[in-house]
Amino acid sequence: AQTVTQSQPEMSVQEAETVTLSCTYDTSESNYYLFWYKQPPSRQMILVIRQEAYKQQNATENRFSVNFQKAAKSFSLKISDSQLGDTAMYFCAFMISGANSKLTFGKGITLSVRP
Amino acid sequence: DTAVSQTPKYLVTQMGNDKSIKCEQNLGHDTMYWYKQDSKKFLKIMFSYNNKELIINETVPNRFSPKSPDKAHLNLHINSLELGDSAVYFCASSQDFGQGILGYTFGSGTRLTVV
Repeated sequence: AQTVTQSQPEMSVQEAETVTLSCTYDTSESNYYLFWYKQPPSRQMILVIRQEAYKQQNATENRFSVNFQKAAKSFSLKISDSQLGDTAMYFCAFMISGANSKLTFGKGITLSVRP
Repeated sequence: DTAVSQTPKYLVTQMGNDKSIKCEQNLGHDTMYWYKQDSKKFLKIMFSYNNKELIINETVPNRFSPKSPDKAHLNLHINSLELGDSAVYFCASSQDFGQGILGYTFGSGTRLTVV
């Protein structure tokens, strides 16, 4: 079974600074996808960034980037130039490629951006 | 236009009642899902349907019955509601079952409170 671990329950960062959210996962599969989702107080689940395991290059979406270490099974999210609107819960998620696949989430981390 | 819409957004009901949550997606996706987010914000898959066919049925009490009249709709019916059913229920959809390369698109959630 695949598991996703987010060991930090909460973090805080000053506006305009950089913060890194950690995530590790466990799988015996070689083809899979990793995601970070954001859930602001509005409750909406928003896809932030995704990474294909077969790609060595780390994904980047504007101020959001990942550090994907396949051998270490680590997938951290870096948020640069933090903004107040980044305050939210962030969920790391994993999905293997293939039939009967499902998105498995970590427990999430609460990020607070201080003005 | 809302991509994945759920109704109602809030539902308060008494123990023992039967209730339904509706979900519709206008993305043309092949697969739809129901997730439950508990009071600790943990997200866990309940069901998935691909083109009206049940694919994933996690360990969910049989009081929960999903129904997919067509691939754009996936409803969740809950019989004999219990206090422990109180949670936020998310509907989601993805393109190409098992691929989900672009991740899932989530609805805004239904907060169910059983009193």
